[in-house]
Amino acid sequence: QSVLTQPPSVSAAPGQKVTISCSGSSSNIGNHYVNWYQQLPGTAPKLLISDSNNRPSGIPDRFSGSKSGTSATLGIAGLQTGDEADYYCATWDGSLSAVVFGGGTKLTVL
Amino acid sequence: QVHLQESGPGLVKPSETLSLTCTVSNGSMTNFYWSWIRQPAGKGLEWIGRYYASGSANYNPSLRSRITLSMDTSNNQFSLRLSSVTAADTGIYYCARELGYSGRVDYWGQGTLVTVSS
Repeated sequence: QSVLTQPPSVSAAPGQKVTISCSGSSSNIGNHYVNWYQQLPGTAPKLLISDSNNRPSGIPDRFSGSKSGTSATLGIAGLQTGDEADYYCATWDGSLSAVVFGGGTKLTVL
Repeated sequence: QVHLQESGPGLVKPSETLSLTCTVSNGSMTNFYWSWIRQPAGKGLEWIGRYYASGSANYNPSLRSRITLSMDTSNNQFSLRLSSVTAADTGIYYCARELGYSGRVDYWGQGTLVTVSS
């Protein structure tokens, strides 16, 4: 059972937009930035969104992040088949003094 | 571009100690946290812990009693030792560079598969 809760899977058609939620508590998301990672099959995760809503260099603006209260959301617009991957949220938990990850969400582009 | 590379045995016997080393190239080890993250086959990411050059460390509470983290800045390496392993410790182990207190990991190693089996 992960500290951060994500939906196990989401799906949408090419060109559409999808959102992935990440729910936590005041000890983690409520008081710390959230980061999002994309993990393509067989590869290491890659930082997709940093500090809740910033895109690292090289990340297309189709990817966006937001945070409100104890929840965060990853948005992916203009879906492409190459976006099929697992997506994880992560943040610091002040009560645990540890980084916590969400359980991951598998994106299928139909 | 910072590069991280894990190394260590791919097979460890139950009850023994898993030992991995991460070699960092093209970057300084100071002013960053150096982390270990693992992923059982077909499952999600689990943060193991991190070490700072000053000697401070943070640990996953569920693994803390079994973890030893260390760093050798002269050789640009950091290491993980996980004691009393069981089959549940089987998975891909990633070393990574972490920033601050937000779960922000900007560089990852390619990962190394460790199997716990007799």
